[in-house]
Amino acid sequence: QKEVEQDPGPLSVPEGAIVSLNCTYSNSAFQYFMWYRQYSRKGPELLMYTYSSGNKEDGRFTAQVDKSSKYISLFIRDSQPSDSATYLCATNRGSTLGRLYFGRGTQLTVWP
Amino acid sequence: SQTIHQWPATLVQPVGSPLSLECTVEGTSNPNLYWYRQAAGRGLQLLFYSVGIGQISSEVPQNLSASRPQDRQFILSSKKLLLSDSGFYLCAWRGQGTYEQYFGPGTRLTVT
Repeated sequence: QKEVEQDPGPLSVPEGAIVSLNCTYSNSAFQYFMWYRQYSRKGPELLMYTYSSGNKEDGRFTAQVDKSSKYISLFIRDSQPSDSATYLCATNRGSTLGRLYFGRGTQLTVWP
Repeated sequence: SQTIHQWPATLVQPVGSPLSLECTVEGTSNPNLYWYRQAAGRGLQLLFYSVGIGQISSEVPQNLSASRPQDRQFILSSKKLLLSDSGFYLCAWRGQGTYEQYFGPGTRLTVT
């Protein structure tokens, strides 16, 4: 079983829609959770970073972690065409080596 | 603020030729450094990581190698490229005591 599972999509929504992106993970030792946004032919950009279960909000983005079910989500409100990208979830155990375990990414298209 | 650079941005090399990709980080000291490869339609594969000058750990046995000659410089090399080495190579850094990683712009390598 892969450490982090993420539906690759693609996901296509109209502008203004609420987008829900999801990942599951297998190891309860994972403690830190991140979401990255990757535009085509660019490096991933850190969007959100959270440690505890619950919600963390940053503008139109909300990261949600449920450690009891090993489920992490990213919600995008009022989605914009500029949100069209691949979104990758990532997690690590909090070790000093800092190795990240990534999902395969979900490709999102927001059409005007 | 911290900045990460990678060069070249794109590279086309024949099979059997050598490779040298460079990554440098500015604005931080003693970062952890990482090399990833991202193949089309696949997730991020961790290749090497380094916790300090001259300290390299390999995640996947292959014909690639890495070196860290200076604190903020990370180099990915190969003596003889294979077709399967084609992909998008990403360098990332992590600060001491933190868990999130920050990625560079990437190098797109095509082996012909």
